[in-house]
Amino acid sequence: EADIYQTPRYLVIGTGKKITLECSQTMGHDKMYWYQQDPGMELHLIHYSYGVNSTEKGDLSSESTVSRIRTEHFPLTLESARPSHTSQYLCASSLGANGYTFGSGTRLTVV
Amino acid sequence: AQSVTQLGSHVSVSEGALVLLRCNYSSSVPPYLFWYVQYPNQGLQLLLKYTSAATLVKGINGFEAEFKKSETSFHLTKPSAHMSDAAEYFCAVSAPGDYKLSFGAGTTVTVRA
Repeated sequence: EADIYQTPRYLVIGTGKKITLECSQTMGHDKMYWYQQDPGMELHLIHYSYGVNSTEKGDLSSESTVSRIRTEHFPLTLESARPSHTSQYLCASSLGANGYTFGSGTRLTVV
Repeated sequence: AQSVTQLGSHVSVSEGALVLLRCNYSSSVPPYLFWYVQYPNQGLQLLLKYTSAATLVKGINGFEAEFKKSETSFHLTKPSAHMSDAAEYFCAVSAPGDYKLSFGAGTTVTVRA
């Protein structure tokens, strides 16, 4: 049973549209992350948060933005989607050094 | 900075044979190391982790990994492959106190009947 939820699972959207990928967790984890995953490539960290009102950019430059107003919620927003944003986006959360719990991912296609 | 290299992007094994997935790490401090599995159209699931306790770590689904500092390795093994082991496997590393994980490129495992 998943304790971290991502919606939508699949999204096909036109260029220039604004999109928000939702991520929520029910485990009370203080740390949350967004990774971008392309086929055959390593996961790249694009955003992370160590608590409410705290967000940082990751190793991979991204045009997306995030917010952390509530502990359980960590949405990712793209103001103007482009084909180069086509990818899978994985949300994860953690408590301490116990490793991450991942959501099922959102597969985004921008046409 | 921490990084991992997974040797071999694809591994094919027969059902019942040994599964060996190789991971080497680079770290300026004693690392924390993890193995994750990803099934098609799903997120990643934690298989096992090394956080400076016992060097031989046992995980779920019969997998285990051994931390070898002298070889900077953290290879994943399973004595007998099952068809359900077909998936993609990721090695990851972090530094103690730094909660961000750096992932390898992944190894896809196929199991032949």
